[in-house]
Parts: sequence; structure tokens; C-alpha cells
Amino acid sequence: AQTVTQSQPEMSVQEAETVTLSCTYDTSENNYYLFWYKQPPSRQMILVIRQEAYKQQNATENRFSVNFQKAAKSFSLKISDSQLGDTAMYFCAFMKHVWGNTPLVFGKGTRLSVIA
Amino acid sequence: DVKVTQSSRYLVKRTGEKVFLECVQDMDHENMFWYRQDPGLGLRLIYFSYDVKMKEKGDIPEGYSVSREKKERFSLILESASTNQTSMYLCASSLRIHPGQGIYEQYFGPGTRLTVT
Repeated sequence: AQTVTQSQPEMSVQEAETVTLSCTYDTSENNYYLFWYKQPPSRQMILVIRQEAYKQQNATENRFSVNFQKAAKSFSLKISDSQLGDTAMYFCAFMKHVWGNTPLVFGKGTRLSVIA
Repeated sequence: DVKVTQSSRYLVKRTGEKVFLECVQDMDHENMFWYRQDPGLGLRLIYFSYDVKMKEKGDIPEGYSVSREKKERFSLILESASTNQTSMYLCASSLRIHPGQGIYEQYFGPGTRLTVT
């Protein structure tokens, strides 16, 4: 079974600064996908960024980027130029590369507070 | 835009009541999921469905059942609610992965915060 570990229950960062959220996972699979989801207070969960395990290049989405280290089974999220709207719970998630059925395995989350 | 809606944002029920949580998606997704979210535990999969009338148990199915009679609707049922089922329930949907196609993300509903007293 796959497990996802987020070792930082809470973090804070000053507005405009950079912060990195950690995620490690355990799997025997070779093909899989990794995701970071964001859940703002009282709002819906939305996808921030995704990474295919077969791709060596790290994914980026505007101010969000990942550091994917497949051998180390590490998938950290870097948020640059932090904004107040980045305040949220962030969940790292794993999905096996299986045709058809795609449940996600989530970490326990990191609560990020961006301070003005 | 994909839209996943859940029937209630907040729900208060008594111990022993039968509870129905409804989820509807409007993008013709094959896969639908029910997760439970608790502080410090993240999201845990209760059940998922990859087609009408099809269902698979997730990690914590005990005390729950599901129903999927139509493609767009996936219901979570608590046959006899208990206080340890007080939680936030999230529904999600996604397209089914087919060979040669890319990865499809899961889209989430707003959640139902259920309190059982």
C-alpha cells in the first residue's frame, strides 16, 4: 500500500517570501502521479500542480513549482512571492498509474499561513 | 467549468438516524469518490464508483454504503449514524483513465460538515 507523509503540520511565511512544503511517499510502483491540492478556509479543494513520475523535469505553474526526487521519493512544493490568498491547507497526494480507477492517497496536510 | 455539488454544507443528525449525503457532477465523469476529512488525518477514501451501479470499498468503508443509480449522482449513506462519524465529507469526480490518454485530476465538491449528536 502507498503512504504519503507531510511532516510539517503547520507553517507560516511572510507575504512576498518563498516557502517550501515537504512531502515524501512510499511506493513500490514505478509509474504514478503526484499532486498538490490546496484547500482555502471554507472553500473547495483545488488542484495546484501535478507531476508524472516518468517525467524528470519538475512541474511549474506560475508561482508554484515542485522539486521531484524520484529516487528519494520526495515531492516538495515551493511557493514563490507568497500572497495572502495562498493561506490554506495543502495536501500532497499520490495516484497509481492504473487504467480506469484512480483513487488518490493523501497526506495529512500542511496548514500554511501567509502573514502580511 | 466542472461543477461538483453536494446537497448540504452543514448537517446535524441524531445518533441512530439514517443519513443521506448527495453528490452531483455535471461533466459526465465516470469516476466518483467519497472522502472523509478529519483534522490531523487528512482525507481518507470511503468508497468510489467507476460506473453506474458499480462501487469499490476504500480504506474506511465500515458504517457506510453508497449508491450510484445515475452517472451524475453518487450518494453516501450512513445506515445508523454514530458520533464517531462526525466529520467533513468530500465528494470528488474524474474522468476514467484510458490507454494513451493523459492524467485527469479529481474535482472536489464544497464538502458537507456532518455533526452527529
